[in-house]
Amino acid sequence: DTGVSQDPRHKITKRGQNVTFRCDPISEHNRLYWYRQTLGQGPEFLTYFQNEAQLEKSRLLSDRFSAERPKGSFSTLEIQRTEQGDSAMYLCASSRYGLSNWDEQFFGPGTRLTVL
Amino acid sequence: AQTVTQSQPEMSVQEAETVTLSCTYDTSESDYYLFWYKQPPSRQMILVIRQEAYKQQNATENRFSVNFQKAAKSFSLKISDSQLGDAAMYFCAYTLSDRKLIWGLGTSLAVNP
Repeated sequence: DTGVSQDPRHKITKRGQNVTFRCDPISEHNRLYWYRQTLGQGPEFLTYFQNEAQLEKSRLLSDRFSAERPKGSFSTLEIQRTEQGDSAMYLCASSRYGLSNWDEQFFGPGTRLTVL
Repeated sequence: AQTVTQSQPEMSVQEAETVTLSCTYDTSESDYYLFWYKQPPSRQMILVIRQEAYKQQNATENRFSVNFQKAAKSFSLKISDSQLGDAAMYFCAYTLSDRKLIWGLGTSLAVNP
């Protein structure tokens, strides 16, 4: 399967702990996006990369959140000192930007974070 | 502010019937793309249909079609011949040149046999 994968699928942690999620995009995709989806809500944009460069970071993303995409392949999203309000589904998507005037974002299955 | 409004939190349709999901959006930009995504229970988000804002012709993908009214900033999704597998959350979204998606809150669609 060459789709977008995310690891882990589920994470339960205690408040104050640090967590890290990983996203592996489709191999030829140069753009990678992170979204957060809380229960009963639509996804919200968090940040995105083109290759290894982080192009934008949402104001929703506090200083406790950091994302990287070393070498322009997989990406990690780290949350430090987790809070209960961080409980959500974290979605990763990738796309092949630049080939045409639009690029479809393909989504991974998400990582569901529960902060106790 | 850039927003997407889906005024129907829940909808239901009988199998084989037609249902229309509503969406309005607000952007001051003239160049954008509109999307409907489907999120089945415990499964990942998939693209159902897209519409380029500069195209007047409504997009169609098999049983799915849209009614795009640019002046009214309206983008509804029509599902014809509804099937049990169509049951899911449906999200309306749009993107500008930066390609980040702006999403609505979603409409939960139930399909009754």
